[in-house]
This record gives sequence, structure tokens and C-alpha cells, in this order.
Amino acid sequence: SNELTQPPSVSVAPGQTATITCGGDIIGTYSVHWYYQRPGQAPVLAVFDDSDRPSGIPERFSGSKSANMATLTINRVEAGDEADYFCQLWDSGRDVYVFGPGTKVIVL
Amino acid sequence: EVQLWESGGGLVKPGGSLRLSCEASGLTFPIYAMNWVRLTPGKGLEWVSGITARGTSTYYADSVKGRFIISRDNSKNTVFLQMNSLRAEDTARYYCAKEPGGVVIYHFDLWGQGTQVTVAS
Repeated sequence: SNELTQPPSVSVAPGQTATITCGGDIIGTYSVHWYYQRPGQAPVLAVFDDSDRPSGIPERFSGSKSANMATLTINRVEAGDEADYFCQLWDSGRDVYVFGPGTKVIVL
Repeated sequence: EVQLWESGGGLVKPGGSLRLSCEASGLTFPIYAMNWVRLTPGKGLEWVSGITARGTSTYYADSVKGRFIISRDNSKNTVFLQMNSLRAEDTARYYCAKEPGGVVIYHFDLWGQGTQVTVAS
């Protein structure tokens, strides 16, 4: 399948670690990117090319990938990290961008 | 300040048309590929269309192919999305998003605030 899967939600206590996964058969073929979107705001690029971090994104955010799974890890979670997180890739076989369905991170 | 500003959204009846615009400021617009992405509460983010820096290549999601047309005017720092034969399922907030390079293969490093499109009778 060319689709991406994500858990609907992840709950985490402040100061703990949030792990968000993105699965799919094509994950291993293409670079994976991660965005977060807070309610009423525009999406923001958090990680690109599997594990690179744009300027301005805290080091608490990190990305990794193996086989058919990409992972976004948020260390020392803060209340402000509560948002929807989406994975994305460019499928050059079909010339389309694909987004995962999104994961809501809930800070307890 | 580097920013993207969308406009043109609104309420339209099924089968109708709408033209969205996205104007860029604070950046060298002609060297970057641009995209349109939409957000629906039930479906999350969905990529809609992309266009290379010079406008020579365009790309579309299957859900809009044949109905939507992306274009750009580099002299006006603006990218457009002409939406025809609109359906209820096209109801969403539409964002324009910039690529870090001139082709549609990277990721989106800058987003606008979006414009709401509602298709209803």
C-alpha cells in the first residue's frame, strides 16, 4: 500500500517522552518529513529528510527511520507541544505528496 | 518578514468555481516551487497540487485532477488555484506552502495561514 499510518493519539505527561510513529510500505524508499499544527494555526515543519531539524525547532524534537517505520520523538514534553503531528513524503513513483492521517499529542 | 498570504476563499454551491490566490512577501518567490494543501477536520492534511518555480511542471492529487488548475505569476509573487466543479468534499481550509527549492520533491518549509472554502447549497 502507498498509504501512511499513524496512531490517532498519544498521551504523555509533562517532562516525559512522546513517540509518534508513521508506518507504510513506502517509508523505506523516500525521505520522511514531520509537521505539527496547533489549533487555529498553520502547520510548522518540525523534522525533514527523516532526521534533520529546521532552525528554530528545539533539540527536543528528533526523527528517525528504519525499514517501514518513521518515528518522531519529543523529549521533555511541554504543554506547548500539544498539537496534531503529521508525517509526509514525496512518492516519486506516483508524483504525489502523501500525508499520514495525523496523531494528536495530548499533554496530561 | 517572510510570509505567505492566501485569499479567495468563501462559500460556493456544488458545481461552482473559486479561485484562490497566495501572495508571497519577503522572499525570492521565482526560485521556489509552491504547493496547495488542504485541511479537513475528518481527513487531516491532504496535498492538493504543486507547481515548479518556473511553472513548467504541475502536479495534482487524484481527488482534484481534471477539476483544479494550479498556476503562478512570478512577476506578482503569486500562486493561484483555480477550483472548478466543486464538491462538498472539497470543503476545507486551503493553505499554500513553499518548498525550499525549485522543484516539487522536498518538503514545505513555510506555510500561509490558510483560507476557508465551503461548498454547500
